[in-house]
Amino acid sequence: DADVTQTPRNRITKTGKRIMLECSQTKGHDRMYWYRQDPGLGLRLIYYSFDVKDINKGEISDGYSVSRQAQAKFSLSLESAIPNQTALYFCATSDLEGTEAFFGQGTRLTVV
Amino acid sequence: QKEVEQNSGPLSVPEGAIASLNCTYSDRGSQSFFWYRQYSGKSPELIMFIYSNGDKEDGRFTAQLNKASQYVSLLIRDSQPSDSATYLCAVNKHDMRFGAGTRLTVKP
Repeated sequence: DADVTQTPRNRITKTGKRIMLECSQTKGHDRMYWYRQDPGLGLRLIYYSFDVKDINKGEISDGYSVSRQAQAKFSLSLESAIPNQTALYFCATSDLEGTEAFFGQGTRLTVV
Repeated sequence: QKEVEQNSGPLSVPEGAIASLNCTYSDRGSQSFFWYRQYSGKSPELIMFIYSNGDKEDGRFTAQLNKASQYVSLLIRDSQPSDSATYLCAVNKHDMRFGAGTRLTVKP
């Protein structure tokens, strides 16, 4: 089993719908991140969390919200999806000292 | 100015050559620096990390850090077609920020 698991792997949704992307990890890391990736733009940070009580906005948080349900679970929500949120989304974790990030398999989201 | 800047490429080198990838960052307080490789449609995977000024070698890969110039580079020696991928520079201070990536093609 993967150390960082994202569900779903692929999703097509309609404009205006609410959608949740889930991430769970078995690495025991405190830090968790949500990124989106668009062609030519690399990975852009949406939100990050250092522990269950600590949530921080990243570079592009507008239109997104997150929930850290437990140390191992970090969910990303799109309250009202729009087509320009079509992207590849990655969840990542790192340990408390902020060393390397470990990535999930990614979720390909299409908003039509 | 983006926090982490990379030349998006594409960069093309012949098999066996040295590929040189560059990255600059804006926050002088940044403490740790990473190079990730990403194949199309796949997750990024760590190649190298470096914390101190100077060079760090691991097999065919060498990371170079110059904090005074806010510059990080990755050299790939004896490039192979399997090295063809997008290379992402990442910088960690309080969070982990990535550059846009450089697409490398190694031609047989």
